[in-house]
Amino acid sequence: NAGVMQNPRHLVRRRGQEARLRCSPMKGHSHVYWYRQLPEEGLKFMVYLQKENIIDESGMPKERFSAEFPKEGPSILRIQQVVRGDSAAYFCASSPFEGTDTQYFGPGTRLTVL
Amino acid sequence: GENVEQHPSTLSVQEGDSAVIKCTYSDSASNYFPWYKQELGKRPQLIIDIRSNVGEKKDQRIAVTLNKTAKHFSLHITETQPEDSAVYFCAPGSARQLTFGSGTQLTVLP
Repeated sequence: NAGVMQNPRHLVRRRGQEARLRCSPMKGHSHVYWYRQLPEEGLKFMVYLQKENIIDESGMPKERFSAEFPKEGPSILRIQQVVRGDSAAYFCASSPFEGTDTQYFGPGTRLTVL
Repeated sequence: GENVEQHPSTLSVQEGDSAVIKCTYSDSASNYFPWYKQELGKRPQLIIDIRSNVGEKKDQRIAVTLNKTAKHFSLHITETQPEDSAVYFCAPGSARQLTFGSGTQLTVLP
């Protein structure tokens, strides 16, 4: 049973470009969470999605950031017009069904903004 | 929102000794209390978790204790080994989101 998959593992963007990060949850999981980790810090919650629904986006910056989890395909975290402060590791996690609290993490995407 | 404090921020122990890391939280609605281990450049890995209806849980050398009244829970690692060296995070929360602590860098000295 493959774990949570994320791609790309490393992404380099110049200021002003767009970054798209993908997350495929574990097989049978329909809930996805995105977290951001700055160097030497803990993970910060960004958004919680179910298929075709955003359930909780209380941790998402109000501008430039968006997330989706379509009926088919991976979840996408999109960052428009990236700035140097967006450089971080972005982790997604998945859980199987509503009410389940255990989250399994992917390997992360390390975004570097030049 | 949830405020989480984790202590100590760094911990060095001799191989074979025990290590204890404590986490305090503020949101009484939190009902799920996991501990994650993260090695450098790797994903967080769940090592043990406990739910609010249980006071203690043990899995081989690792145990977690929960005091809901005082709003804190602790990670206990016995007979530490060099491969236990990593950053450990508590992450109290619920099915909607987890709030991570700032981490404890554990170093096990051979």
